Amino acid sequence: DAGVIQSPRHEVTEMGQEVTLRCKPISGHNSLFWYRQTMMRGLELLIYFNNNVPIDDSGMPEDRFSAKMPNASFSTLKIQPSEPRDSAVYFCASSPGLTGETQYFGPGTRLLVL
Amino acid sequence: ELKVEQNPLFLSMQEGKNYTIYCNYSTTSDRLYWYRQDPGKSLESLFVLLSNGAVKQEGRLMASLDTKARLSTLHITAAVHDLSATYFCAVRSTSGTYKYIFGTGTRLKVLA
Repeated sequence: DAGVIQSPRHEVTEMGQEVTLRCKPISGHNSLFWYRQTMMRGLELLIYFNNNVPIDDSGMPEDRFSAKMPNASFSTLKIQPSEPRDSAVYFCASSPGLTGETQYFGPGTRLLVL
Repeated sequence: ELKVEQNPLFLSMQEGKNYTIYCNYSTTSDRLYWYRQDPGKSLESLFVLLSNGAVKQEGRLMASLDTKARLSTLHITAAVHDLSATYFCAVRSTSGTYKYIFGTGTRLKVLA
């Protein structure tokens, strides 16, 4: 099993640019989660999907952030326009469902906004 | 406010010693998770605890859950250097839609 796949692994961009992070969950997993990790705020859940439907997006910081899951094997997290305070490691995780099983985390995307 | 607090935040211990990390949470929850994160790496699942009194063990790590006290512990027995990492607990809140809330993490350093 390839595990959760994220791309890119590193992204450096300038303030104001659009950033798109991508995630491929583990095959057969129905739930997908986007997290952000920073030194100041720790690990925060941004949004999660079940069966491609967004269930809770209350963690999305503001309208500049959006997430989609067009099919069971692909999700994107978009930041437009990006700001320096968005610099963080963004993790995608997947789990078989919403019955409380463990989540399997991807390697993360390290984003730096200059 | 939904909170998950861990203590200590930092722990430096000698090899061979025992220690416990504590995780307190403020919300009703039906799942308690423990994860490990090595520096610059992703998170790796250690345990999922489902019910009051649940205890799980893997190698030198043992996790327990007291839902009445809203407390989980991660006990380390005879620590070895390879256990050096940051350990996170997380809960799944059952207030409204599920919310997954992580603790601040405990950075463990085991000295040889």
